[in-house]
Amino acid sequence: DGGITQSPKYLFRKEGQNVTLSCEQNLNHDAMYWYRQDPGQGLRLIYYSQIVNDFQKGDIAEGYSVSREKKESFPLTVTSAQKNPTAFYLCASSPGYEQYFGPGTRLTVT
Amino acid sequence: GQQLNQSPQSMFIQEGEDVSMNCTSSSIFNTWLWYKQDPGEGPVLLIALYKAGELTSNGRLTAQFGITRKDSFLNISASIPSDVGIYFCAGGGDSGATNKLIFGTGTLLAVQP
Repeated sequence: DGGITQSPKYLFRKEGQNVTLSCEQNLNHDAMYWYRQDPGQGLRLIYYSQIVNDFQKGDIAEGYSVSREKKESFPLTVTSAQKNPTAFYLCASSPGYEQYFGPGTRLTVT
Repeated sequence: GQQLNQSPQSMFIQEGEDVSMNCTSSSIFNTWLWYKQDPGEGPVLLIALYKAGELTSNGRLTAQFGITRKDSFLNISASIPSDVGIYFCAGGGDSGATNKLIFGTGTLLAVQP
C-alpha cells in the first residue's frame, strides 16, 4: 500500500535526552514536512524539504533538527534544547500543494 | 508564523443538520485545501481548490474558492455522527516557489445523534 508511515505512535522520553521520530513515504513525493500540534491548536511548521539533501527551517525550528538523505525518509530529531517538546508530531509529503499526512507520533517528555 | 482565521471555532449540531464554516486571510492564495482530523490521527485531505470562484463537491461536502482569493468556504450537508472531528483549511501559493501551506486554526464539529 502507498502511504506515509510514522513510528512509533507513542514515545516517552526523559528530559535532557534527544529523540528521533521516523517518517517514511513510498508515494515518490519530492517534498516532505514536519509539523507540531499542541492540544486545541492548529499545525505549526517545524522543517520542510523540497528535495533530497536540502531542507529549510519552518516557523518553529529551534530545538529541532532534520536530515533528508533519501527521498523516502525525513527523520526529525527533538533535541534537549527544545524547551517544551511534549506534543503531537505530524509528518507530511506532497507532489505539489496537496499534502498527505502520516498518522502522527505523540511524544511525551517528563 | 501566519495562521488563517477560521470560523466558527466550534459547532455543536444535531444529526441531519447542514454545516457551514469559512476561512479568511489577509493574503491572496493560489490554492485552498480542506482537511479533516480525527482525534489522535493525521489530517485527511477532503477537497482541493485551484481556481478563484471554483465550487467543488466530494459527496456531502462542498467547498468554494472565494472570488477574492482571500477566503474559502466548506459546507457539509445532512451531517452524520462520523462527521465529528476538527476541520482545517489551508492556503498555498502566497509566496515564493515553495509548496508550503498556511493552516487555519480549525473548527471543531460535534454531531449529536
